[in-house]
Amino acid sequence: GQQVMQIPQYQHVQEGEDFTTYCNSSTTLSNIQWYKQRPGGHPVFLIQLVKSGEVKKQKRLTFQFGEAKKNSSLHITATQTTDVGTYFCAGPYGSSNTGKLIFGQGTTLQVKP
Amino acid sequence: NAGVTQTPKFQVLKTGQSMTLQCAQDMNHEYMSWYRQDPGMGLRLIHYSVGAGITDQGEVPNGYNVSRSTTEDFPLRLLSAAPSQTSVYFCASSRGRGGYGYTFGSGTRLTVV
Repeated sequence: GQQVMQIPQYQHVQEGEDFTTYCNSSTTLSNIQWYKQRPGGHPVFLIQLVKSGEVKKQKRLTFQFGEAKKNSSLHITATQTTDVGTYFCAGPYGSSNTGKLIFGQGTTLQVKP
Repeated sequence: NAGVTQTPKFQVLKTGQSMTLQCAQDMNHEYMSWYRQDPGMGLRLIHYSVGAGITDQGEVPNGYNVSRSTTEDFPLRLLSAAPSQTSVYFCASSRGRGGYGYTFGSGTRLTVV
């Protein structure tokens, strides 16, 4: 069946270092969404990418959608302790947008001050 | 706006008991979903709905029922609780078509003993 995989599962960085998480889908996606979950909290929507090769930025966060629309990445520049949490990518099941999302397993980021 | 409200926040059930996890949203969102979150497995879709009266199964529907009689409410019923259903449950809603992300509730932590 359709799968969305994320790597790495865990990442420990020193504050100020950069961080990247990668998301790979077994099928072509019409769009990809990214969420952040703080420890003990709930997922919070960050952004959606729709176009092939699209790049979007939110302050220190850069999101990319691959040319083939099967992979995506989230890059954080100069991490801060407030970046701690688990980052999930998610894409729609199948080819139509029915609101049915499949999530990756997430990448948990720890930042050492 | 309260957003997505889930009750209860915590629940302990005995094996074989039934219960309903409540979810309500006040944003007039079309799409609603239930996810369960287990360590290392990300968020797995249980059931979802694209509008009142319309529901469909997700990845892990066995042991759970849903109904959507109104736009606002999307309760999740556990028919006969099993220890394998120990998890954190999240309800989420989205405006639907047009590329909007999901707004998650704060979750219900369920333990089945």
